[in-house]
Amino acid sequence: GQNIDQPTEMTATEGAIVQINCTYQTSGFNGLFWYQQHAGEAPTFLSYNVLDGLEEKGRFSSFLSRSKGYSYLLLKELQMKDSASYLCAARGDSSYKLIFGSGTRLLVRP
Amino acid sequence: SAVISQKPSRDICQRGTSLTIQCQVDSQVTMMFWYRQQPGQSLTLIATANQGSEATYESGFVIDKFPISRPNLTFSTLTVSNMSPEDSSIYLCSVEGTGRNTEAFFGQGTRLTVV
Repeated sequence: GQNIDQPTEMTATEGAIVQINCTYQTSGFNGLFWYQQHAGEAPTFLSYNVLDGLEEKGRFSSFLSRSKGYSYLLLKELQMKDSASYLCAARGDSSYKLIFGSGTRLLVRP
Repeated sequence: SAVISQKPSRDICQRGTSLTIQCQVDSQVTMMFWYRQQPGQSLTLIATANQGSEATYESGFVIDKFPISRPNLTFSTLTVSNMSPEDSSIYLCSVEGTGRNTEAFFGQGTRLTVV
């Protein structure tokens, strides 16, 4: 079957670094995506990995290990506005549809 | 990136009625999807809206309950039929980008409450 696992909730301090992990099992693999979703809003795209390694984009980085079925999203220099849900999603086959994890609610405290 | 207009943004409906949600994209796209996000949960794919043919539904979703239209490459509708309180959710339209990442872009969603 296809499955995406990520922690339900995390708490971190403003200015710190937090790592949100995601493990996936899919039938085929065509990319791993991270989205940010603030309460009451639509998800917005953060990052994409299809090859092993680290992709850095400003304060956000995402890592992928295809052999381990594992990814993480790293948020540096946390800001209060980073409090949101972070959704891990995988594209299994070539049909373009995404399979989403349950999301990780991140609370950034002063 | 694609700009997606979805309406209505929210609605409160009586049980047993139907609601049609519209999704308009500012450019032609091949792939359009409809997702449901129940309170406090992540996104679940309802179906892929195919232009010129019947939508492809995911397990647990059927055409009689969620009929979908896709008359052209920029527009789609999702109808939630014979609604019950369990249908109270956010419904999101999504399209695929054409850039390297082909990430999905989302409309702002329709917050549906069934009473």
